[in-house]
Amino acid sequence: ILNVEQSPQSLHVQEGDSTNFTCSFPSSNFYALHWYRWETAKSPEALFVMTLNGDEKKKGRISATLNTKEGYSYLYIKGSQPEDSATYLCAFRARGTTSGTYKYIFGTGTRLKVLA
Amino acid sequence: SQTIHQWPATLVQPVGSPLSLECTVEGTSNPNLYWYRQAAGRGLQLLFYSVGIGQISSEVPQNLSASRPQDRQFILSSKKLLLSDSGFYLCAWSVRVRNTEAFFGQGTRLTVV
Repeated sequence: ILNVEQSPQSLHVQEGDSTNFTCSFPSSNFYALHWYRWETAKSPEALFVMTLNGDEKKKGRISATLNTKEGYSYLYIKGSQPEDSATYLCAFRARGTTSGTYKYIFGTGTRLKVLA
Repeated sequence: SQTIHQWPATLVQPVGSPLSLECTVEGTSNPNLYWYRQAAGRGLQLLFYSVGIGQISSEVPQNLSASRPQDRQFILSSKKLLLSDSGFYLCAWSVRVRNTEAFFGQGTRLTVV
């Protein structure tokens, strides 16, 4: 059974604070690690797709790093704003049971609340 | 552009009743299709995925089944709902390139009473 874990489960920060979350995943048979943002009443939205050890991706105030050898990824938010409030999910792309197929195994998510 | 439609948005069903949730994708061919569920206080659990018509892989034993009667149609069903089937169900699709992201529908909130 593939296990993808995220910490913390939830987080409250003040507007302007910087924060980070962790995603842990299996370090063997790695294909890709995805980060999503899931706002209430909306669909999960892809933030980053990370494939190479040492990858760093950035989108505005949000960035992510990847360590495939030890099986973890960090998501950073610099200068948090109330609109950053959402659940942040990571997903490990794993091989499917049929040759050439893949599936996404999600972590439990980190619920971020940014207080104005 | 590609779009994914999932319906209904909300559903309240009695225990023991059947279920059918439908998901369709437009603007792409031969997508991978997925059904996920978020139970209360938990993350997204993969229920089923499909790489083609009639090809269904089940991830966890459960009271649900899935079918793919057409290339861009994915259906989640149950013959008799249980209270534990309550949750938020999401359909998703991806292209058949291994490092691309999945795209999600709007979800269905199912409450079994």
